Amino acid sequence: DADVTQTPRNRITKTGKRIMLECSQTKGHDRMYWYRQDPGLGLRLIYYSFDVKDINKGEISDGYSVSRQAQAKFSLSLESAIPNQTALYFCATSDGGYYGYTFGSGTRLTVV
Amino acid sequence: GQNIDQPTEMTATEGAIVQINCTYQTSGFNGLFWYQQHAGEAPTFLSYNVLDGLEEKGRFSSFLSRSKGYSYLLLKELQMKDSASYLCAVRDRNAGNMLTFGGGTRLMVKP
Repeated sequence: DADVTQTPRNRITKTGKRIMLECSQTKGHDRMYWYRQDPGLGLRLIYYSFDVKDINKGEISDGYSVSRQAQAKFSLSLESAIPNQTALYFCATSDGGYYGYTFGSGTRLTVV
Repeated sequence: GQNIDQPTEMTATEGAIVQINCTYQTSGFNGLFWYQQHAGEAPTFLSYNVLDGLEEKGRFSSFLSRSKGYSYLLLKELQMKDSASYLCAVRDRNAGNMLTFGGGTRLMVKP
């Protein structure tokens, strides 16, 4: 089983719909992150959490919200999806150590 | 804040050597990472430098100069499967040891 699991892997949704992307990890890491990647661009931080009671906005949090349900689970929600939120979304975890971040396999989201 | 620069694209020939550069500016440098990302897939860890010098891992090596704010990733004996994006990321102790990623260098290996 993967250390960091994202569901769904692919999703097509309509403009205005609410959608949740889920991330779970078996690494035992306290820190979890949500990133967005657009074609040809780098990773942009949406939200991050250093522990269950800690939630912080990243550089592009508008239009998104998150929930840290447990140490192992961190969900990203789009309250009312819009087409320019079409992107590849990655969840990542870390313990601040040698390997940096461990990434999930990504969720490809298309908003039509 | 941080600023990380790396070339957008590079092309190299199978069997050759390629060097991908990364320059950075950060107030609380605490390590530099290189990740490999194939199209549509997750980034995967390649290397980590926190002290000056060269770290070698098989065909891949990474170099760091903290005084110059400079790193490079060296790929030897290029293979077609090395066609991917390579992400430089800097860890900042003044930002809770979070990573900031460069835009990535897309490497195309040609026969």
